[in-house]
Amino acid sequence: GENVEQHPSTLSVQEGDSAVIKCTYSDSASNYFPWYKQELGKGPQLIIDIRSNVGEKKDQRIAVTLNKTAKHFSLHITETQPEDSAVYFCAASIRGSNFGNEKLTFGTGTRLTIIP
Amino acid sequence: DSGVTQTPKHLITATGQRVTLRCSPRSGDLSVYWYQQSLDQGLQFLIQYYNGEERAKGNILERFSAQQFPDLHSELNLSSLELGDSALYFCASSVEGWADTQYFGPGTRLTVL
Repeated sequence: GENVEQHPSTLSVQEGDSAVIKCTYSDSASNYFPWYKQELGKGPQLIIDIRSNVGEKKDQRIAVTLNKTAKHFSLHITETQPEDSAVYFCAASIRGSNFGNEKLTFGTGTRLTIIP
Repeated sequence: DSGVTQTPKHLITATGQRVTLRCSPRSGDLSVYWYQQSLDQGLQFLIQYYNGEERAKGNILERFSAQQFPDLHSELNLSSLELGDSALYFCASSVEGWADTQYFGPGTRLTVL
């Protein structure tokens, strides 16, 4: 099955600086890569996603890049703010599969702390 | 607020006991997913129900079971509880299946003593 590795497990950055979280996946058939943000006491919330037919997607201060050859994708947060402090999870799945293996496999999470 | 509700918020019980966790999906969503989140294993998919029927299974133990009712709410039953079952249990829902965005509830924190 799919295996997703996520690094780093913790990350502290100065407010205003950029943060980068990296994930690798094992199944070359994976074609959908969402990122979730989990704030304290809440469930994960989808913040951005990317499909394998594009290499980069941006939404305001958040961007995700995908390297299919290396089976690697990353989350970039620019101009970080205190409210960006949370745990971030990457995930991978095979959307549109007829084999019943579309399940989301999550990385182990990155605790991001923004230092004011 | 995702629109997915879960009860109870916290649950403390003893080893060997049985508990039931409840989830109400967003209005209009037909699929419900259950996940377990523990400190050492991240988010693990347990099981998916679609419109009342089991659709996909993940790493769900035989001691655990789930069902989805005609009104689309779902219950996760955990029996013969062990210390290692202590975790956060999340329910998520989506319009239909895995091709749709999943919206997560706030979770139920289970502590087994």
